[in-house]
This record gives sequence, C-alpha cells and structure tokens, in this order.
Amino acid sequence: ETGVTQTPRHLVMGMTNKKSLKCEQHLGHNAMYWYKQSAKKPLELMFVYNFKEQTENNSVPSRFSPECPNSSHLFLHLHTLQPEDSALYLCASSQDPRGGQPQHFGDGTRLSIL
Amino acid sequence: DQQVKQNSPSLSVQEGRISILNCDYTNSMFDYFLWYKKYPAEGPTFLISISSIKDKNEDGRFTVFLNKSAKHLSLHIVPSQPGDSAVYFCAALTIGTASKLTFGTGTRLQVTL
Repeated sequence: ETGVTQTPRHLVMGMTNKKSLKCEQHLGHNAMYWYKQSAKKPLELMFVYNFKEQTENNSVPSRFSPECPNSSHLFLHLHTLQPEDSALYLCASSQDPRGGQPQHFGDGTRLSIL
Repeated sequence: DQQVKQNSPSLSVQEGRISILNCDYTNSMFDYFLWYKKYPAEGPTFLISISSIKDKNEDGRFTVFLNKSAKHLSLHIVPSQPGDSAVYFCAALTIGTASKLTFGTGTRLQVTL
C-alpha cells in the first residue's frame, strides 16, 4: 500500500471545466511534488513544495494552480485546460527536500481533456 | 534537451538470467542516481540509488554501477524473475533547496519463462 494517495484515479473533463486533483502523504515527509507524464515522454517536474512553501515552478502554464495547505496535502487546481494537457499526473513526497532521500510516488491521476 | 537518456525502450530476458538496464546522462552536477520500477496503473516505486561519489551499490538481486567518466550507469538484476517485468526508469537527483528528479523515458523489461 502506497504512503502517497491520489484522488481521483481517473478524470475526464471539458476544456471549460474547473477541477482539482488531490494528493495526501502519510509518510511524515516535508516536501511534495507534482509531475506530469505524457505519452512517450519522461516524467516532467511541475511544482515543488518545501515545508508548504513553493520552491519550484517549472514554467508551468497558469491554468495549473497548485496549493499546499500543509505538509501532508497537495492540490492541483485545473482550469481551462487544453487537449495537450491530457496526461498522467503524479504526486510525490520526500523526507528532506535538501537531502538525497528518494521520492515516493502516488499511483497518479489519469486526466483526459475533451 | 534530455539530460537523462535510456536508449533501449525494451528488453527481453529469460528467467534466471541477468538483466542489464542502461542509462546515460549529460549533466555532471547530479548528486544521486536512482532507479524506479513501474507496473501498469501504479506509480513509480523506488528500487535502488547510488551517490555520485560511489561507483557501485548493491541491494539483494539489484546492483547499480556508476561510471562517471562515461556518464553512464547501469542496473543489473540477477537472477531475473517474472515479477521483475515492468518499466524501469533511471532518474538523476539534484539536491539543494528542494531535491529535483530528472527522469529518463524508461525501459520496458520482459522476463520470460
């Protein structure tokens, strides 16, 4: 059983909809991450939160809006998405963002934009 | 421009034999290298890592070798088992204010009976 839980597992939405992806980690970690995996491309880092503060925005369009209310929860708010945003969105956490500990991933949300 | 490359999209190995998965990188500033394993409909699972100051790390059936001069690392699985069939991702870690992972595109390993 993964220590990082993502909901929903699947999401289909229209381009004008607003939805949110949720991630919760039960590992006591201090850093949380959002990644995007498109078909035939490597995982791409989107956002990094370190002790609830955003420390990295990897040139992500503003239609993706992250929120980290505490070290255990991370959201990705979606608004006016494009068909090319269809992908697998993965959340991860790590114990100490400044160290070499591995990141632990959730099972992802498969997002389809109609 | 991909900084971490896995040039073999797939690999088929017979059960009991050695599986060797390869990875090349371009940035000599990476601090750690990691291997993740991914089954369908699941997130990547951490397998093994190696510090950039080491050249070998072993954990049971899994060994990772790092050749810094060649900017190359490999994952050896001995003996290979059918349950090892999955997609294996090589990743490079940069530490600092927040650790950042850079992933390769993955190699699909099929272990046959």
